Order: sequence, then C-alpha cells, then structure tokens
Amino acid sequence: DSGVTQTPKHLITATGQRVTLRCSPRSGDLSVYWYQQSLDQGLQFLIQYYNGEERAKGNILERFSAQQFPDLHSELNLSSLELGDSALYFCASSVVGGGTGIMNEQFFGPGTRLTVL
Amino acid sequence: TQLLEQSPQFLSIQEGENLTVYCNSSSVFSSLQWYRQEPGEGPVLLVTVVTGGEVKKLKRLTFQFGDARKDSSLHITAAQPGDTGLYLCAGVGQTDSWGKLQFGAGTQVVVTP
Repeated sequence: DSGVTQTPKHLITATGQRVTLRCSPRSGDLSVYWYQQSLDQGLQFLIQYYNGEERAKGNILERFSAQQFPDLHSELNLSSLELGDSALYFCASSVVGGGTGIMNEQFFGPGTRLTVL
Repeated sequence: TQLLEQSPQFLSIQEGENLTVYCNSSSVFSSLQWYRQEPGEGPVLLVTVVTGGEVKKLKRLTFQFGDARKDSSLHITAAQPGDTGLYLCAGVGQTDSWGKLQFGAGTQVVVTP
C-alpha cells in the first residue's frame, strides 16, 4: 500500500459525459501528479500540482482539467468524454516536486479504470 | 513518442534463470527510477538512481545507471515467479525542473515455475 488513495476504482460512463476522479496523496506529500495509461500509449504524464499550484503540464487535453485543494487532495475532471479516453488514470504523490533523490520519488495510487461506452 | 526505450518488450524465462532489462535514451536524465506494475494496479517504486555509474542492489535485483546518465539496466538473479510483472523505467529530464517523469513502454517479464 503506497498510501495514495484514489476513488472510484472503476467508472463506466457514456460518450459526451463528464466525470471527476479523486486522489488523496500520502500524508506529508505536497506534490500530486496525474497519469493516463492506455494499451497503445503506455503511461503518459498529464499534469502536476505542488501545494495547490500547477507546476508542470504534459499532453493533457483541453477537455481535461485538474486542481489541488488546500487539504492537498486533487481532482481530475474529464469532460465531453470520447471512446478513446477509456484508460487507467493514476495519481502519484511525492514529498516535493523537483530535483533528484528520494524527496522527488513518486508513489502511485491504485488507479481509476475509466470505461467510456 | 517515448523518450526512454526499453528492451526487450517481452521476456519469458524459467524459475532460477537470470534476466536483464535495458532502458536507453539519447537524452541525459537527472535521475532514473524503476517501477514494477502488476495488472490493474499502480506502479510500485523499486529504486531511484541519481549518480552516473551508480549501482544499487535490492536482494536479487541489481540496478545500474550509465556513466553518461542516458541509460540504465535491471538485472534479476535466479528469477522467481513472484518477479513476474511489467517493469518500467522512468526518468526526469535535465531540462525538466519539476518532477515530470517520462516513462518507457515497459518490459513484460513472465517467470514460470
């Protein structure tokens, strides 16, 4: 158990809908990261937040948005869902959000499996 | 496009055999991490290497970071069925000032009894 929690575990929805994925980081971690894992793309970095502020962006679609709240939990919002958005979505957390070494090691949650029908 | 290339993509061996997985890039990384992932679960961090030429051992697993910090390898001695999983390398690029991990596509390892 990494200490990172994600809800829900599974989500099934229809095209065009909007969903919210939730992540609680490990106690003491200030940085939260979101990743998407699909069969053809592998693990892709979406976005990072550090202490409530957006710090880095990957190939995140405009239909997707995220935020980190004062209690450090984070939510990833996916809207106008398409079939191709079906994937595993992982949240990870680390103590800090940059540099090298153990303070930057990322610990992953169990993921949310999103299925868009 | 994957910045980190892993080889082989798939490896099937018998219990007791040794195996090596490679992670290569044309870019320099500030640090590199190895993860193992089981189906439907999140990646689990195995090790972080930071210094060029660094070698770290974790029981039967040996990790090496290349001198130029562009490549890494994972060697498993006397593999066991419990070593089965998807092994992923991930690096923080030198130009990435924050923790933006770039992942390789992974090597699927299957160890049969």
